[in-house]
Amino acid sequence: EPEVTQTPSHQVTQMGQEVILRCVPISNHLYFYWYRQILGQKVEFLVSFYNNEISEKSEIFDDQFSVERPDGSNFTLKIRSTKLEDSAMYFCASLAGVNYGYTFGSGTRLTVV
Amino acid sequence: QKEVEQDPGPLSVPEGAIVSLNCTYSNSAFQYFMWYRQYSRKGPELLMYTYSSGNKEDGRFTAQVDKSSKYISLFIRDSQPSDSATYLCAMKVRGKLIFGQGTELSVKP
Repeated sequence: EPEVTQTPSHQVTQMGQEVILRCVPISNHLYFYWYRQILGQKVEFLVSFYNNEISEKSEIFDDQFSVERPDGSNFTLKIRSTKLEDSAMYFCASLAGVNYGYTFGSGTRLTVV
Repeated sequence: QKEVEQDPGPLSVPEGAIVSLNCTYSNSAFQYFMWYRQYSRKGPELLMYTYSSGNKEDGRFTAQVDKSSKYISLFIRDSQPSDSATYLCAMKVRGKLIFGQGTELSVKP
């Protein structure tokens, strides 16, 4: 069964450093998303991406965050200057079309120290 | 009022029991309703996806939507220890998902 692949599975970084989280969505999917889940809290929407541009972003997704689809397969989330409160699981998701369910990756656990 | 409310549990049942998981919501704009299963430190896995009011069945799982009451349910029949996980309801609006808190379920052998 096709799956969404995320790397790395765990990343530890120092506060203030830049991190890039990587995702390979399902190949024929058109819509791409990043969500995050702080330990013990809800899964929260960060950003959606369609047709090579951001279609919607949450108030969490401030100027420190950016997304990119640098080639036909990868989808990345960059955090420019990490803060302690950015520590969370980050999930990439993709969607074939508006009438389908979302497929999530296994996540990247980001720890900011 | 929160957009999506879900009892976090934990819920513990014996093997073979029928499990009922529920969410309420406040936003009438929600159009699609999903249930995800999440194992510890893993990504959500789609279990059920519904659009209209009524029931949808898939194996041991039945999803129920009542749009007039803004209430959705997931029933698990003949529950198994492997069903032990956190179950998340999620609702779609304008292309993004709004999740409930998740209900932690434990099925004891």
